[in-house]
Amino acid sequence: NAGVTQTPKFQVLKTGQSMTLQCAQDMNHEYMSWYRQDPGMGLRLIHYSVGAGITDQGEVPNGYNVSRSTTEDFPLRLLSAAPSQTSVYFCASSYSSLGGDYGYTFGSGTRLTVV
Amino acid sequence: ILNVEQSPQSLHVQEGDSTNFTCSFPSSNFYALHWYRWETAKSPEALFVMTLNGDEKKKGRISATLNTKEGYSYLYIKGSQPEDSATYLCAFRRYGNNRLAFGKGNQVVVIP
Repeated sequence: NAGVTQTPKFQVLKTGQSMTLQCAQDMNHEYMSWYRQDPGMGLRLIHYSVGAGITDQGEVPNGYNVSRSTTEDFPLRLLSAAPSQTSVYFCASSYSSLGGDYGYTFGSGTRLTVV
Repeated sequence: ILNVEQSPQSLHVQEGDSTNFTCSFPSSNFYALHWYRWETAKSPEALFVMTLNGDEKKKGRISATLNTKEGYSYLYIKGSQPEDSATYLCAFRRYGNNRLAFGKGNQVVVIP
């Protein structure tokens, strides 16, 4: 089992560029989510999905778009990168929004720098 | 925004000593409380998911308790070892809400 796979691991963008952070899971998890982690801020929820075709905003959604066309994939799009989006991004999934008995499974993270 | 507070923010523990720290969360409309262990350069890993008032869970030398009426959970590490050095995150979910809100973590350093 690969678990939750995030790509790329590192990325440097120029202000105004666009890119997509990829997240894929092979555990048939219904629930998937994106968090960003900044120093002193903890993990903050960007967007989440409770199943294919269903997405919703989290705590800090501005500047990010998501879609969920399949159960396995939940990409995060930055349409016009800004320096404030410099962060480490984590994708997480679980069997249900409650997390079942096992909690969330996290990907290894993407470290994004916007210059 | 759900306020999840963890204290102390960081602590140093001598190897062999036991320690504990606190997660505080809103006591209304409680649904679930998660604990995660996050080692440097790795991803958070789930320790416990707790849903009932009075729940106690244990995994090796780590255990957790839950008080939903007063809105707090304790995480205990018994006989700390250097491999216990990590940040411990708690996360709270409110009933009827699909969002999991994380605290800023308790950073634990075990000194050999």
